[in-house]
Amino acid sequence: GENVEQHPSTLSVQEGDSAVIKCTYSDSASNYFPWYKQELGKRPQLIIDIRSNVGEKKDQRIAVTLNKTAKHFSLHITETQPEDSAVYFCAASGDGGFKTIFGAGTRLFVKA
Amino acid sequence: ETGVTQSPTHLIKTRGQQVTLRCSSQSGHNTVSWYQQALGQGPQFIFQYYREEENGRGNFPPRFSGLQFPNYSSELNVNALELDDSALYLCASSRFRDGSYEQYFGPGTRLTVT
Repeated sequence: GENVEQHPSTLSVQEGDSAVIKCTYSDSASNYFPWYKQELGKRPQLIIDIRSNVGEKKDQRIAVTLNKTAKHFSLHITETQPEDSAVYFCAASGDGGFKTIFGAGTRLFVKA
Repeated sequence: ETGVTQSPTHLIKTRGQQVTLRCSSQSGHNTVSWYQQALGQGPQFIFQYYREEENGRGNFPPRFSGLQFPNYSSELNVNALELDDSALYLCASSRFRDGSYEQYFGPGTRLTVT
């Protein structure tokens, strides 16, 4: 069945450094790739997304890249801040957002 | 915060019982999906409803069922509860934009089965 693998499971960086989280998906029909941030005890919040017709997208300190041939997509956070500490999930879905499959999550720690 | 709401916030049930969880979609969203999130894991897709019909299902048994109403609110029903059903249940409503759907999650219902 469809699968999304996410690495690393835990990431610890110093404040101001960059953080990179990588995901691989299996379903070649996937065409929408959102990223969510989930703080402890709260709902997942959409932070950025990318569609299959785009290779890269940036929003301030956050950027996402997509390689459809390799079925890889990545989240890049620059100039990390302590408030970036949370669990980050990648996801992949098919046409119309059908059946979104999530990765297992990356717990990001940003040390002040 | 999104306009997606869920009730109740917390719930404790006994194994074998039945439970109904509720979700109100964000205005203008006609698609709702339900997810189960076990502690320390990513959300697992249960099913999706579009215009009151189920149009996709994950690897969950038939004792997980749902409904979507004309106002696009939704229910998740779980029969014959098992201990492993203890989890955070999230609903997410969607809108169509630029060829794909953006999902916005509700705060979740924390279900504990004892």
